[in-house]
Amino acid sequence: IAGITQAPTSQILAAGRRMTLRCTQDMRHNAMYWYRQDLGLGLRLIHYSNTAGTTGKGEVPDGYSVSRANTDDFPLTLASAVPSQTSVYFCASSDGAQGIDEQFFGPGTRLTVL
Amino acid sequence: GQNIDQPTEMTATEGAIVQINCTYQTSGFNGLFWYQQHAGEAPTFLSYNVLDGLEEKGRFSSFLSRSKGYSYLLLKELQMKDSASYLCAVMDSNYQLIWGAGTKLIIKP
Repeated sequence: IAGITQAPTSQILAAGRRMTLRCTQDMRHNAMYWYRQDLGLGLRLIHYSNTAGTTGKGEVPDGYSVSRANTDDFPLTLASAVPSQTSVYFCASSDGAQGIDEQFFGPGTRLTVL
Repeated sequence: GQNIDQPTEMTATEGAIVQINCTYQTSGFNGLFWYQQHAGEAPTFLSYNVLDGLEEKGRFSSFLSRSKGYSYLLLKELQMKDSASYLCAVMDSNYQLIWGAGTKLIIKP
């Protein structure tokens, strides 16, 4: 693989269910990010990780959790999905000491919570 | 609060020039990015400005004025494949990107 992959591509989920969105990069980038994109709004940062073993909260972290056990993987978990979490989720990565490098995005996961 | 403003939608003609404006108010500034996003696809990087002035890259140019909190993306010799959304994003003092809602550019033949 080259770049960032996300799985699944799309998912319909019943409210209350647990769901993990997967993200893997093979560029050996230090930093990784999870965004959600909703119509009429800009990308909003959910969680980020500046390096393996560390994570931080973004603008809209409630209802989501992440882990960064290694450099390549950065899964996003919805513990108990709610309809307001219906969105397109993008994973991204970047490699820069102070995060000023461009971010590379995965193809996205379209999630619908009913 | 932090705010990025850009027009919702613009229309231009194939072969013409279009300028997409972006104004911002953020807590700190560590650079401004422009990304292109085709419908149903991921954003891809176009340009980065951290100093005032114009950065040119082929048909695309990006301008920054930090004192005015203003940037624009200039697209020349428009092609049908330039139909996309253009996202303006500012890196704040915490090195997090604050994103505008994007400008949908429609190119007509």
